[in-house]
Parts: sequence; structure tokens; C-alpha cells
Amino acid sequence: QKEVEQDPGPLSVPEGAIVSLNCTYSNSAFQYFMWYRQYSRKGPELLMYTYSSGNKEDGRFTAQVDKSSKYISLFIRDSQPSDSATYLCAILTGGGNKLTFGTGTQLKVEL
Amino acid sequence: EAGVAQSPRYKIIEKRQSVAFWCNPISGHATLYWYQQILGQGPKLLIQFQNNGVVDDSQLPKDRFSAERLKGVDSTLKIQPAKLEDSAVYLCASSRFLPQNNSPLHFGNGTRLTVT
Repeated sequence: QKEVEQDPGPLSVPEGAIVSLNCTYSNSAFQYFMWYRQYSRKGPELLMYTYSSGNKEDGRFTAQVDKSSKYISLFIRDSQPSDSATYLCAILTGGGNKLTFGTGTQLKVEL
Repeated sequence: EAGVAQSPRYKIIEKRQSVAFWCNPISGHATLYWYQQILGQGPKLLIQFQNNGVVDDSQLPKDRFSAERLKGVDSTLKIQPAKLEDSAVYLCASSRFLPQNNSPLHFGNGTRLTVT
């Protein structure tokens, strides 16, 4: 079983839609969860960083962790064409020393 | 603050040839990472350095891949000999401390390798 699994998409939504991106993970001991955004031909950049359970909000972005289900989500409100990118969930594994990524979900927001 | 610098941006080689990639991390960042990202997949950690010591190289194919970080700053990743399945983007990242110390990774834009 993979440590992190992510819906691969691709996902296409109209501008202004609410987007939900999801990952599941295998080990209930994991505590640090991140979302990275990667534009085409660029390196990933950190969007959100959460610890343990609950929600964290930053502007139009909300990260949610459900430790009982081992499920993490990223919600994007009022999606914009500039949000078109690949979104990668990432979890600290290996005793907290190693960042393990999901496969990424490609998102396209259309006018 | 200058970002993580990588070169070259693109490289095309034939199988069985050798290739090297270079990375200059953000100044002051002790931890340096090399990730391999195959098309349609997430980045996979190849090797992680803390200063000039190796923290994790469990997924580095050591029969053909090697990496070094002399003087704890710049790093090079080498492949010799290359195989077709090595075609990927090689991403370098750095962080001020180890990840569990709330220290985010900053990525370069990668080197895109095509092996023909």
C-alpha cells in the first residue's frame, strides 16, 4: 500500500466553481500535511501546511485533515484561471524527516 | 531572497551515456534534496543531505546514480550509465532545517532529462 494516494484527475471546472482535491494516507501516525501547487515547467511551491486534524484557511484556500479517516482535502473557493496547475499533497513520513508526495491532481479552470 | 538554482534546464542524451545536474540551494539552507518526477507522477525523493552528510538515500539507484554535496552548499547528481526510464524532471529543493522543524521545502524549476 502506498503511503499517500491522490486522485489523479484531470479535473476541469468553470471559473468561480468550488474545487475539492483529495488524498488518503496509510499511517495514522502521520501528523504534518502539506499542499503544493506546481505550474507547468516549474517546481512545486508550498500552498498550505497543517498539523494534526482540523481546518486551516488562507484566503480562497482551505486545507482540511480528517485523521480518523486518514483523509486530507484542499478546497479552492471562487476558482480562477490562474489556479490552473497540478496540486500535490505531501506528508511527512520516515519519522518526520522525509516529505512524501501524492501523484498530483491536474486542475484546469476555464473561463 | 534568491531561489534554488538548477542547471541545465534541459538535457537530451542517448542511453548508456552519462549526465550531471547541478544545484545551488538558498543561502543558509542546511538541508538539500534531490527528487525525481516522472511525467504524470509526484516527485520521488532520491537523496537528502543535511549539510554535507546523507540523511536518506534509500530510493537512490546506487548502481547508476550518485550525488555529492561538497562543503555543504552546492550539490551535483550524476547518472552513469543512463537508461530510458531515467527520463524525468530532476528537482532540487532546500530547507533551512529538517522538515519536521516546520521548515518548508523550496524547489528549483528542475532539469528535464530525456534519454533516447
